[in-house]
Amino acid sequence: DAKTTQPPSMDCAEGRAANLPCNHSTISGNEYVYWYRQIHSQGPQYIIHGLKNNETNEMASLIITEDRKSSTLILPHATLRDTAVYYCIVGHYKLSFGAGTTVTVRA
Amino acid sequence: NAGVTQTPKFQVLKTGQSMTLQCAQDMNHNSMYWYRQDPGMGLRLIYYSASEGTTDKGEVPNGYNVSRLNKREFSLRLESAAPSQTSVYFCASSPLAGGGNEQFFGPGTRLTVL
Repeated sequence: DAKTTQPPSMDCAEGRAANLPCNHSTISGNEYVYWYRQIHSQGPQYIIHGLKNNETNEMASLIITEDRKSSTLILPHATLRDTAVYYCIVGHYKLSFGAGTTVTVRA
Repeated sequence: NAGVTQTPKFQVLKTGQSMTLQCAQDMNHNSMYWYRQDPGMGLRLIYYSASEGTTDKGEVPNGYNVSRLNKREFSLRLESAAPSQTSVYFCASSPLAGGGNEQFFGPGTRLTVL
């Protein structure tokens, strides 16, 4: 069963903010929201995670709705190197990656 | 620090052959994981080791065995390879097996079973 729903693809202009949505309506109270990305066929790279509060680090911001049923990953100033597949995952440590969102940053 | 390393990078097997995929981490992490990624799909957890001396099944364990050799090393064995096991295999590690821990991934092993 899919625990998250993401759009299959999206485009973004270089230098603009990229907002990636994720629905996780069946999330349980103690499950985290994680975001990873995968560039080409490399190993996935951790971006950010959160439980209830919004989070920000040097790579991105994570906005989680109050009911925790959806979240948005924000890349504040997208660059060409941010072109990748982005995965939204809910759980603890036994992660299950869905198909993700293919983000293409265009010059 | 090399992070998470995997060997080999590529492998071609014939149906019925066996092989072991090696994974090592130098970050003193307690927990290690094996995932597989089929073409066009996300990663699925095969086995994990929450701490040295323990291993547990993940989402797709059939056809695989694992060994947590020591704190650094976690190997994945295919006893009798099948074409359905053609995939890219990723090893990962994290400080602890618990919510809120970042997993660090290796570069992957690309396996083809003919």
